[in-house]
Amino acid sequence: GQQLNQSPQSMFIQEGEDVSMNCTSSSIFNTWLWYKQEPGEGPVLLIALYKAGELTSNGRLTAQFGITRKDSFLNISASIPSDVGIYFCAGQWNGNQFYFGTGTSLTVIP
Amino acid sequence: DTGVSQDPRHKITKRGQNVTFRCDPISEHNRLYWYRQTLGQGPEFLTYFQNEAQLEKSRLLSDRFSAERPKGSFSTLEIQRTEQGDSAMYLCASSADRARQFFGPGTRLTVL
Repeated sequence: GQQLNQSPQSMFIQEGEDVSMNCTSSSIFNTWLWYKQEPGEGPVLLIALYKAGELTSNGRLTAQFGITRKDSFLNISASIPSDVGIYFCAGQWNGNQFYFGTGTSLTVIP
Repeated sequence: DTGVSQDPRHKITKRGQNVTFRCDPISEHNRLYWYRQTLGQGPEFLTYFQNEAQLEKSRLLSDRFSAERPKGSFSTLEIQRTEQGDSAMYLCASSADRARQFFGPGTRLTVL
């Protein structure tokens, strides 16, 4: 199956700092999604991207669909304690299946 | 609340027993997905329904696993003769289009 690599695996940051994470694939995708998951809960959809180069924001979150279609990026500005969680990227080529990355664990230190 | 719901939230069973999980998607969503997630990993696709038709199955879905969506609304996932390796979080998601999937809270399965 498709392999999605997320980087970094974990981040420890101070409250108020900006965060950047990325996701790379061995294959091209037509759709990228970014999710946040908290312990014991299902992933929550943050942002959906549908075409190469697209830049989309959701509050303090901004995500981009890489122009090679093999990567995507998520930025969080001015982090707050409730941003803590695991962030997953997910990509879809041309079917119904989404492939998920291994996640970036974010810890925000007050 | 009109989100995806799953029942039960937690299930502990002994090896060899059968278990069944239920998923109620967001109403009007005709697409329903099952995923499995183990600790430290992202969700892995198991199967997909469009209305009542099961259109895609992962190779992860062994013969002991079966999923149904009889009326195109709720879905069940059954695992027969559970094994310790089946211990995981089982997630259901629904969508109205091919892109945005909305997840339920998951069912945490522990096989002793």
